[in-house]
Amino acid sequence: AQSVTQLDSHVSVSEGTPVLLRCNYSSSYSPSLFWYVQHPNKGLQLLLKYTSAATLVKGINGFEAEFKKSETSFHLTKPSAHMSDAAEYFCVVTHYSSASKIIFGSGTRLSIRP
Amino acid sequence: DAGVIQSPRHEVTEMGQEVTLRCKPISGHNSLFWYRQTMMRGLELLIYFNNNVPIDDSGMPEDRFSAKMPNASFSTLKIQPSEPRDSAVYFCASGDRAGNTIYFGEGSWLTVV
Repeated sequence: AQSVTQLDSHVSVSEGTPVLLRCNYSSSYSPSLFWYVQHPNKGLQLLLKYTSAATLVKGINGFEAEFKKSETSFHLTKPSAHMSDAAEYFCVVTHYSSASKIIFGSGTRLSIRP
Repeated sequence: DAGVIQSPRHEVTEMGQEVTLRCKPISGHNSLFWYRQTMMRGLELLIYFNNNVPIDDSGMPEDRFSAKMPNASFSTLKIQPSEPRDSAVYFCASGDRAGNTIYFGEGSWLTVV
C-alpha cells in the first residue's frame, strides 16, 4: 500500500527566505515521487520527480527535493522565496507497475510575505 | 509539444443539462486520467485509461458520469443530467510510456446553476 502525507496545510515565509515544504510517504515498493505546483486558476505543473536515480533532484524555478529512504521523506526546498512562488504544492507517490495508483497529498498552500 | 489540451476552459450550465468535457492527451502517451478538484474533497481520480481501455473507474461518482476514449488522441467526460454539486474543476492528465509521470491540462471549470 502507498500513502503520502504533507505535514503542513499552509506555510508562510518572507520573500527572500528559504522555503521548506514537508512530505512523508509510505510505500511497499521502491516509489516514484513527484512534486506538482498549482497556481491559482491553473492546472498542475510538474516541478520535479524522483525515480530511483540521484537522491537529490533539481526541478524548475530553483526548487529541489531530496529523497531520504531512512526517513521516508521527500521534502521540497528552495533557498530564496519569490513572490511568484505563492501557490499550492502537491506531493505525489506512485509506482511504475501501477500507474492508476497515483496518490496525491492533500496539498500545502505556500504564501509569500513581502 | 502542446501539452494536454482540454475544452471548454469554462462552462456554466443549468441543472439538468448535459455537459461534455473534452481532452486531447500528449501525443505518444498511453495513459489518460480524469480528475475532479473541489475545495471540499481536493483532487479525486474519476477514471483511468490505458491504451484507450478503461482500467479503473471506481472513482466515477454515479451513473450520471461516463467517460470514453475512442482513440489515442481524444477522450470525453460526460455528465447527464448535471447537478449543482457537480460544479468543480475537471482535469485531464496523460502519462508517458514509462508509466509513472503524468502531465495535467489546464482544467475545465464547470459551474452548474
